[in-house]
Amino acid sequence: QVQLKESGPGLVQPSETLSLTCTVSGFSLTSYSVSWVRQPSGKGPEWMGRMWYDGDTAYNSALKSRLSISRDTSKNQVFLKMNSLQTDDTGTYYCTRDWETGRPYYYVMDAWGQGASVTVSS
Amino acid sequence: DIQMTQSPASLSASLGETVTIECRASEDIYSNLAWYQQKPGNSPQLLIYDANSLADGVPSRFSGSGSGTQYSLKINSLQSEDVASYFCQQYNNYPPTFGAGTKLELK
Repeated sequence: QVQLKESGPGLVQPSETLSLTCTVSGFSLTSYSVSWVRQPSGKGPEWMGRMWYDGDTAYNSALKSRLSISRDTSKNQVFLKMNSLQTDDTGTYYCTRDWETGRPYYYVMDAWGQGASVTVSS
Repeated sequence: DIQMTQSPASLSASLGETVTIECRASEDIYSNLAWYQQKPGNSPQLLIYDANSLADGVPSRFSGSGSGTQYSLKINSLQSEDVASYFCQQYNNYPPTFGAGTKLELK
């Protein structure tokens, strides 16, 4: 059974760094890529970045200067770090499993974690 | 980035009714479009990919269509469990981008 679970602090001070962990089970990080997606309350999701199955990374250019994604395959974990947080970074942060559709190199998010609620406030 | 525009932003429908949600891309996305359902308090779930392919376990009352820049999600015979927000997402170009969502309620 494919599962993803996000963990991390619920409250972050403005200008501080957010650190989140995604722990996966039911699939291998060396076979599937994992994305981070965030969603402000009542709004559409925003793709943040991806840890490819081969260890490479891809980032949304809007966040690239602040964002870092890494992994520990021995622990089945993917990590997100984002610095210089502001109030508009408040929202729910999800990790997702990326699944390649029938078309090579095209990926959709076929499994999502429960989400980690993050509030940026002093 | 490709902009995804959904309409309507919200709609109210009766049980058994047929509902259609539209999604327009700011440029051709060659049917590289997915639809997600997000029930209140839950995370999004994949409904449709490649514009018209049903994800595993999705009821056949859901269907997707479209091409180029115009896509739609249709729900036949609306059920109470279909109350949710629905998002379209393009994966033709980086970064993948989502629509703002359509909130579906029961009348």
